[in-house]
Amino acid sequence: EVQLVESGGGLVQPGGSLRLSCAASGFTFSNYWMHWVRQGPGKGLVWVSRVKTDGTSTNYADSVEGRFTVSRDNAKNTLYLQMNSLRAEDTAVYYCARGLFGDPVGFDSWGQGALVTVSS
Amino acid sequence: QSALTQPRSVSGSPGQSVTISCTGTSSDIGGTKYVSWYQQRPGKAPKLMIFDVYKRPSGVPDRFSGSKSGNTASLTISGLQAEDEADYYCCSYAGSSTFVVFGGGTQLTVL
Repeated sequence: EVQLVESGGGLVQPGGSLRLSCAASGFTFSNYWMHWVRQGPGKGLVWVSRVKTDGTSTNYADSVEGRFTVSRDNAKNTLYLQMNSLRAEDTAVYYCARGLFGDPVGFDSWGQGALVTVSS
Repeated sequence: QSALTQPRSVSGSPGQSVTISCTGTSSDIGGTKYVSWYQQRPGKAPKLMIFDVYKRPSGVPDRFSGSKSGNTASLTISGLQAEDEADYYCCSYAGSSTFVVFGGGTQLTVL
């Protein structure tokens, strides 16, 4: 069974940093692009970032470019999102999601989400 | 302001059909075969219902169907059931600069 489990969420002050992790199991992690998608309180889904199977290529939404860094450790079957210079508008539930083969917008498995709250 | 426009809410009675529209531009929906739809129940993670405009993942009932015409994609749910009550989001590839855009979501109420 495919499982994605996020961790690392919490309360952080504006301007602070946080690192999310997503532990994957039940599939060959290194074969899949992985994504981060977030959802603000009472709001819709917003794509944040993606990383290629081997970690050599990454992409970001304009709203997080230069502040967030996505990475992966295929030996540990773990996806990461390093979030720096956090703003109030980054407050959201952050989901990691597995990408479908050859499909940039097909996310076929999702974690349960990690809540990040940016507030003083 | 989401990149893709969806109605905020739709409703239907059990057994009826409903269609949720998702309008974009030639830079996203109109220019790609990569359109997906997600179902999200309260407090839960999204679930993939449709990918590549009309394909259904294993386990998704054939009551769910997807289509596209020009810059508008649609999700149709036939034979509505109480369990279909949820929020639905469309998603499209938007090119090598923007990459991925979602719609604002549509709340489906089964009357």
